[in-house]
Parts: sequence; C-alpha cells; structure tokens
Amino acid sequence: DQQVKQNSPSLSVQEGRISILNCDYTNSMFDYFLWYKKYPAEGPTFLISISSIKDKNEDGRFTVFLNKSAKHLSLHIVPSQPGDSAVYFCAAIEGTYKYIFGTGTRLKVLA
Amino acid sequence: DAMVIQNPRYQVTQFGKPVTLSCSQTLNHNVMYWYQQKSSQAPKLLFHYYDKDFNNEADTPDNFQSRRPNTSFCFLDIRSPGLGDAAMYLCATSRDLRGMTEAFFGQGTRLTVV
Repeated sequence: DQQVKQNSPSLSVQEGRISILNCDYTNSMFDYFLWYKKYPAEGPTFLISISSIKDKNEDGRFTVFLNKSAKHLSLHIVPSQPGDSAVYFCAAIEGTYKYIFGTGTRLKVLA
Repeated sequence: DAMVIQNPRYQVTQFGKPVTLSCSQTLNHNVMYWYQQKSSQAPKLLFHYYDKDFNNEADTPDNFQSRRPNTSFCFLDIRSPGLGDAAMYLCATSRDLRGMTEAFFGQGTRLTVV
C-alpha cells in the first residue's frame, strides 16, 4: 500500500517552461517532505525539502508547495533546463528518519 | 568527490549463493541505511544502523543481514538470494536520526540473480 504516490511516471517539458511534478500522500502524520533527483547511474541527491509548518519553500529555480488539507505537494522548476532531465523522487519522513518514497517521475526537458 | 561509495556497481550472483554488498562513507555520519529498489517501485528501507545499534524494519526478510564493523563501512549480506531479490540496493547515510536530516545516497549496486 503506497503511502506516497507519484501518479505521473513521466513528464516532458520544453526548455524554458515550467515543470510541475506532483506527489500525493495518505498519512496525515507525515510532517516533513523531501524531493530527490536522480540521474542515470548515480544515486539520488537531495534537492529541496519542506516542513508541514510551511506551505512553500523556494531555492533558486526550485519551489515546493505543500497543501496539507489535500495531502498534496508539488515541485515547480522554473525555468526548466535540459540538465534538469532526471528522475524525481518525492519522499515523506515517517517518525524522524524513515523515508517513504514515491515511485518517481521521469522528467525530460526538451531543448 | 564521492561521499557514499558502493561496491560493486553491478553484481551477478547465483540463486541461493550468499552475496555481500559493500558501502563506505567519508562523511563520518552516525547513521547508515540500506534501501532496496525493485524495478518501477519506490526505494524501500530494509534496515539502518545508528552507530553500532542495528534496527531492522519489521517486513525485512530474515534472508537479509547487515554488518557495520566501523563508522565508515556497512555491508549487506543476502544469505540465500532468490530471483525476487534482484533489485537496486542503495546505501545512504545521515548525520543523525533527529530533526529530519538529509540523507546522502550512494550510486547503488544492481543485483542480478541467475
């Protein structure tokens, strides 16, 4: 039973446009969320996180939005660049350390 | 500079033949984790070490064991690999277990069972 869901396995976006990656969760006890990015043949690397006391966190071109009532978060990348092409994993932290991952969304940014 | 290093990158083992995957870290982090990721699935936590304290997830099969001889190294032992154990195995570290600290991942070891 997937507690963290990324329902879009893939997404293609034109360079310079906005990429929006979505993530839904079922456990209302989750209060910290992270996005990881994974290039082929590399391990996942941390991108951005958000605590449930916030509804938005921004870091350069990357912004994460959290809607607690809808149990939904999204990652916005503006503007999208070809180097952003990767698999993006959403994760929630259960307790204080256990990551519950989604299945990932493969983003392709077209030049 | 790689901070979490997994060896080998690719491992082929025979059905039922014990296999060991290795992870080392240069971050001096207290916590080391092993995740299993099967094709098209989410990475799933198998267990973690906080310093020398071992913590098994409730649904981790007994076939999987781990050793952490020192801060820098952690091993994943699969005693009798089955075809269903073919997966990517990811090692990760974090500074501690408190306060939602970021985890650092290695490149993974892709295990094939033949």
